[in-house]
Amino acid sequence: GDSVTQTEGLVTVTEGLPVKLNCTYQTTYLTIAFFWYVQYLNEAPQVLLKSSTDNKRTEHQGFHATLHKSSSSFHLQKSSAQLSDSALYYCALWGAKLTFGGGTRLTVRP
Amino acid sequence: DPKIIQKPKYLVAVTGSEKILICEQYLGHNAMYWYRQSAKKPLEFMFSYSYQKLMDNQTASSRFQPQSSKKNHLDLQITALKPDDSATYFCASSQDRGQGYAEQFFGPGTRLTVL
Repeated sequence: GDSVTQTEGLVTVTEGLPVKLNCTYQTTYLTIAFFWYVQYLNEAPQVLLKSSTDNKRTEHQGFHATLHKSSSSFHLQKSSAQLSDSALYYCALWGAKLTFGGGTRLTVRP
Repeated sequence: DPKIIQKPKYLVAVTGSEKILICEQYLGHNAMYWYRQSAKKPLEFMFSYSYQKLMDNQTASSRFQPQSSKKNHLDLQITALKPDDSATYFCASSQDRGQGYAEQFFGPGTRLTVL
């Protein structure tokens, strides 16, 4: 089956500095789509980014990610972290169903 | 107005009892899902329905039974509750389960505590 790996469970970064959240995957499906979901405290997960095109950069709310099928990765990045970015981030792969990674909790400190 | 309604928001139950979690979506979607989130497993897929038919079941226990009385309803019945069932249960929906780009929208969740 599909699997998604987020290597960091916790990431802490200082406001204004860049942040990168890692996501790698394994799948046997040819037609796949990828999502980054963000979940703020006591709220439901919501889509932050989505992509299905290899080597194309996708951007939203200052975050960006590029799907690299050659390395099976879809890392999330932001050049300047904000306090309001503190949340739980999930990478997800759609193959036969939506498979989530374990999540990365991002804390942005002043 | 909320597009996906989950009721109740909070639920406390005793071990061995039975509860039903309600989910209604007003997005006009054809596919609906249940997920569970706990400290042990951050976000875990449980079921998917498409046009009121069960498409995928990743829940090992038969104590969890989804029920779809209407196209936009997908309730979750849990019997013989255990403390390990304590979690937040999210309902989600998407336009079409079959499309690879089908973005799922999540409801606010029901936080279940089993004593």
